[in-house]
Amino acid sequence: EAGVAQSPRYKIIEKRQSVAFWCNPISGHATLYWYQQILGQGPKLLIQFQNNGVVDDSQLPKDRFSAERLKGVDSTLKIQPAKLEDSAVYLCASSLFRGGNEKLFFGSGTQLSVL
Amino acid sequence: GQQLNQSPQSMFIQEGEDVSMNCTSSSIFNTWLWYKQDPGEGPVLLIALYKAGELTSNGRLTAQFGITRKDSFLNISASIPSDVGIYFCAGRSAGANNLFFGTGTRLTVIP
Repeated sequence: EAGVAQSPRYKIIEKRQSVAFWCNPISGHATLYWYQQILGQGPKLLIQFQNNGVVDDSQLPKDRFSAERLKGVDSTLKIQPAKLEDSAVYLCASSLFRGGNEKLFFGSGTQLSVL
Repeated sequence: GQQLNQSPQSMFIQEGEDVSMNCTSSSIFNTWLWYKQDPGEGPVLLIALYKAGELTSNGRLTAQFGITRKDSFLNISASIPSDVGIYFCAGRSAGANNLFFGTGTRLTVIP
């Protein structure tokens, strides 16, 4: 079974530029998550989708971050404009069930450096 | 928001030794997950726990869901060099969308 696919693996941009990340979840997984992991910390949830609807985006800085999951499969996360503090690894995860007995599977992440 | 305290922050052990780490929360959880993360990779799920008192093994790894539902433990027996990495606990409270992660335990195994 193929895992969660993410691209690109690395991205270096200057502050105030825009960047987009792409995620393809495990086939059949209805729930998709974007996490931000700052160096030395655990992942922090940015946004959660159930199919193509947003379940939780309370931690998403909506003035600069946006995400969509058209057709309930692939998802993109965008930052516009980027700030220095956005330097982090952006992880996508998917799960088959939401709630009880849920297991999240992560992709390898996109490492973003904002200069 | 939820706070997950994971300890110890780091461990240096000899190959063959057993390892114990734990995670405590400020509120009651109904799900505990343990992950391992290697450099440059995403977290990989090791063990999932869904009931208070549950004890689950995965090879040399054993994890327990604390009776108080506010803590969880992970043990690794007979450590080997490939156990090196950062171990994260993650938990979810009833009815919550968010899975909160601990700050991680960095494990170094000395051959």
